[in-house]
Amino acid sequence: KAGVTQTPRYLIKTRGQQVTLSCSPISGHRSVSWYQQTPGQGLQFLFEYFSETQRNKGNFPGRFSGRQFSNSRSEMNVSTLELGDSALYLCASSQGQLRTYEQYFGPGTRLTVT
Amino acid sequence: ELKVEQNPLFLSMQEGKNYTIYCNYSTTSDRLYWYRQDPGKSLESLFVLLSNGAVKQEGRLMASLDTKARLSTLHITAAVHDLSATYFCAALSFYGGSQGNLIFGKGTKLSVKP
Repeated sequence: KAGVTQTPRYLIKTRGQQVTLSCSPISGHRSVSWYQQTPGQGLQFLFEYFSETQRNKGNFPGRFSGRQFSNSRSEMNVSTLELGDSALYLCASSQGQLRTYEQYFGPGTRLTVT
Repeated sequence: ELKVEQNPLFLSMQEGKNYTIYCNYSTTSDRLYWYRQDPGKSLESLFVLLSNGAVKQEGRLMASLDTKARLSTLHITAAVHDLSATYFCAALSFYGGSQGNLIFGKGTKLSVKP
């Protein structure tokens, strides 16, 4: 079974631009979560989607948004990029609730904002 | 609000020595996770601990959970260079109708020297 895939793997953007990252979960997984990893703040939860609905959101500004499609693929968008948005963005998928199912992380997208 | 504290943040060990990484969490959580991350890579799942007194071992790593003390430990036995990486603990958090998300510690950067 293929793992979680994320595209692109590396991205360089300029401050003020916007960016869209994509995540394809493991086949059959309906829950997708996004995390941001920076040297200063560590690993932080961004948002979680299940069956195309956002179920939870972390403490991030409105510039960060996401969506999930009917095939469970998910995208996250960051508008008006700031230097501090440079990070490794990790996507994780699971079949459902994490009390029952394991979560699997993708390889990440490394975003650099210049 | 669930918070996770890990210590030490940096650990320099000699090969063959033993050491323990500590992970405290602030409120009740159903699951405690340990991950390994190599530089520039994603998270590799090591252990998932479900209940009080749970102990899991894989090679030179052993993880345990004390839910009453809200403490998990990752014990390294006879360290070898290949164990050099950053280790994260994470606790499972739920909000409303979410599927759950992980709250991570800051990570422990382990360096094993000959």
